[in-house]
Order: sequence, then C-alpha cells, then structure tokens
Amino acid sequence: DIQLTQSPSSLSASVGDRVTITCRASQTISRYLNWYHQTPGSAPKLLIYAVSTLQDGVPSRFSGSGSATDFSLTISSLQPEDFGIYYCQQTYTTPQTFGQGTKVHIK
Amino acid sequence: QITLKESGPVLIKATETLTLTCTVSGFSLSDPRFGVTWIRQPPGKPLEWLAHIFSKDEKSYTPSLRSRLTISKDTSKSQAVLTLTNLGPADTGTYFCARTRHSGYDRFDYWGQGNLVTVSS
Repeated sequence: DIQLTQSPSSLSASVGDRVTITCRASQTISRYLNWYHQTPGSAPKLLIYAVSTLQDGVPSRFSGSGSATDFSLTISSLQPEDFGIYYCQQTYTTPQTFGQGTKVHIK
Repeated sequence: QITLKESGPVLIKATETLTLTCTVSGFSLSDPRFGVTWIRQPPGKPLEWLAHIFSKDEKSYTPSLRSRLTISKDTSKSQAVLTLTNLGPADTGTYFCARTRHSGYDRFDYWGQGNLVTVSS
C-alpha cells in the first residue's frame, strides 16, 4: 500500500492567516492526489483533485501544488468555516489510501 | 441533483455479517464515467478506503480486508452493496459510500451522509 504522511498533525491559526498542509507519499503518485475537508459529524468534501484542480464551488483561497511524492494544500486567508480535518488521498493505485489527517483549529 | 444514501444496521453483533446498501440518484451505475466507493472511519480515526465498483463490474478491494469484503451493484435499482463478514469490534465506525468520478484522475465528488455501525461483543 502507498502510505501518505501529512504534516502537521494539527495546527492553530487565526482568521486571515495563510495555512499550508503537506502530504508526502511513500512512492511516486504522479498527479493522482486529492484533498478533502471534513467537519465533525459530516462526510468529507472534495476540495482539490489532480494536485491543483479546484472542485466546482470551492473558494479560490484554496490551492494545491506538488508532484511525484511531495504535495501541499494552501489556504491563503483562513476563514472561520475552514476549521476541521483535512485529508490527502492518492488514487494512483488501489487501495486508494488517505493520509492520517491534519486538524485545523481557529484561534 | 446527485445524492447517495447509505442504509443498514446501526448495531450488530460480533461474528455476524454486515450488509450496507448505497442508493444513488442523479447518475447511473451503468455510466462508465462513474463508480461507487465504500470508505469507513472508526470513531476519531482517519478515513479508510475499502472497495470500489465501476460500470462494467470492475471491482477492487483493500488487501487487508479482501477475504471478508464483497462489493456488488444492482444497476436497475441504482444500488451498490457492501458486505463484511465475521465482524469484530475493530469494524465499528461510520461507513460512507461516495461517487467516484472515473474520468482522468479519480476523485470522490459526492458522498453519502454515512451509516454509523457499532459492533457489540
């Protein structure tokens, strides 16, 4: 299985801050990397697919970058509704594994 | 409008077999652009990919649960079904089904609300 390691595991930031979460794959996954956001009691929501393509309806403050094994998700100006857990996921091969998650707290 | 809804037991005993149904609307399970994936999440833990199925009945399973998992679909009923045999307490969690967009780069663009399953010993 391909392992995805996210960092940090958690962070606390203020509204308006720029936030970056990284995801490292245990082997190259080309551009088969997605990001999801989950709030308590809800299903995950797709934010970004294929490293950097914004899903329809997702605010432009979210962006993604990277290639091969190293990827990142950036929120340019953190908003109150951005709290929750962010997961990266690879769809390069099955099982299509997820990272362990990064918990974002709003200060 | 695209929706997915999981249905199944909330409480089930260890060693029994879990059967979950995902009923979809707004797209067809015969459309080659889409599939259905099952994902689970133990309480307070990360997401775990379980299995997927596509229009031509192509299936894939997570190796760690392969001997216990079966995925199937009934296109006429717009349903995908997951069974998990010989349950244990570690199988407790929320089970989600998600639409898999299978064009170019796979991604899960619509999710069900989840079905919380508790396995009692």
